[in-house]
Amino acid sequence: EIVLTQSPGTLSLSPGERATLSCRASRSINSRSLTWFQQKPGQAPRLLIYAASNRATGIPDSFTGSGSGTDFTLSISRLEPEDSAVYYCQQYGGSPPEYTFGQGTRLEIK
Amino acid sequence: QAQLVQSGAEVKKPGASVKVSCKAFGYPSATYYMHWVRQAPGQGLEWLGRVDTSDGRAHYAQKFRDRVTVTRDTSTSTVYMELSSLGSEDTAVYYCAREPPETMYFDLWGQGTLVTVSS
Repeated sequence: EIVLTQSPGTLSLSPGERATLSCRASRSINSRSLTWFQQKPGQAPRLLIYAASNRATGIPDSFTGSGSGTDFTLSISRLEPEDSAVYYCQQYGGSPPEYTFGQGTRLEIK
Repeated sequence: QAQLVQSGAEVKKPGASVKVSCKAFGYPSATYYMHWVRQAPGQGLEWLGRVDTSDGRAHYAQKFRDRVTVTRDTSTSTVYMELSSLGSEDTAVYYCAREPPETMYFDLWGQGTLVTVSS
């Protein structure tokens, strides 16, 4: 089973700054299988980035995904207070199908 | 507008089973994988299993293989997740989520169902 490790655990930044969130896989994965979600308190997760670098419908270009192999990054430029949330990476491994999530990074905008 | 609507909150005693439903609206539901993901209070996301709505085949996370059953009813565009032998550690919000064909990501989520296990 592939383990996803996210860092940092918590990130505190100011409006207008840039956030860089990391997701590291325990072994190399197919970039097509790497996804990022945003979750705000009391809400379901929201799809941000799929296939490592593709923004989902309606996601602003301030959100950028990158990476390959074992190291993936979610960057958020021009932070706004509403970007405060927990961000999760997730990957799919086949045969048998298994979907795993990272433990999340909490982003605080102060 | 596509949406997934889940059944309401449940309170169960230890050892009991729970069955949660998820009904699809606004899209042809018979060509997607439908998943169940849970989130314990203050914790992260955990995948339980999925069902292929076209043929009913299900796959489960190793951890839950002996306790979870995911099924679908195409006549009502509804999927179900049943979890048995409940313990306090199963107290969580349970989400259904949709995976479009050959995409490996969840693009639509239900609102979540709180399951509380308490004696």
